[in-house]
Amino acid sequence: DGGITQSPKYLFRKEGQNVTLSCEQNLNHDAMYWYRQDPGQGLRLIYYSQIVNDFQKGDIAEGYSVSREKKESFPLTVTSAQKNPTAFYLCASSMSPGATEAFFGQGTRLTVV
Amino acid sequence: AQSVTQLGSHVSVSEGALVLLRCNYSSSVPPYLFWYVQYPNQGLQLLLKYTTGATLVKGINGFEAEFKKSETSFHLTKPSAHMSDAAEYFCAVSASGGSYIPTFGRGTSLIVHP
Repeated sequence: DGGITQSPKYLFRKEGQNVTLSCEQNLNHDAMYWYRQDPGQGLRLIYYSQIVNDFQKGDIAEGYSVSREKKESFPLTVTSAQKNPTAFYLCASSMSPGATEAFFGQGTRLTVV
Repeated sequence: AQSVTQLGSHVSVSEGALVLLRCNYSSSVPPYLFWYVQYPNQGLQLLLKYTTGATLVKGINGFEAEFKKSETSFHLTKPSAHMSDAAEYFCAVSASGGSYIPTFGRGTSLIVHP
């Protein structure tokens, strides 16, 4: 089955540690996105990539980093510089940067203690 | 620039009643519009989308939405609510001819009472 896989579903980390969230898609989509979801704030764009080896900052990129070395993979690293990292993180992809809808993974809930 | 405003963070209806979730958008170019549904601790699933053509679009689970350019709106409706419709609903816009990055509203939580 084609789709987007995020792992792990739940992640706990100590404050000050970097952590990497995995996102893999087998839909052959060019564009991939990372969103952060907090209660009452909807989805906010962290980073996006429209092609391999290229990515752009979204609205809330500070404290995050990404890479896009392969078309199917777009991992997100939450660094110690992110002041409030506890949130639900959603990865998405779309066929191209065009009029098609985004397909979402099941999300990773990160809790920093 | 583009933005989405969803009116009402919570909407409560009785089972069998009409569902109306409101969405207004702002876009400097003709928009593409989407409605997504999210169940607890899950990703988003597309309900329906408008790109071009017919302004009344039908989606899954009996939902439909109408694109009204003059009102910059894309409200989501369903004639009769089911308990299983209780979820979070997100309206999104992406701009034709631009980078197509979808921008989401803050979401509306639909509560369905027996």
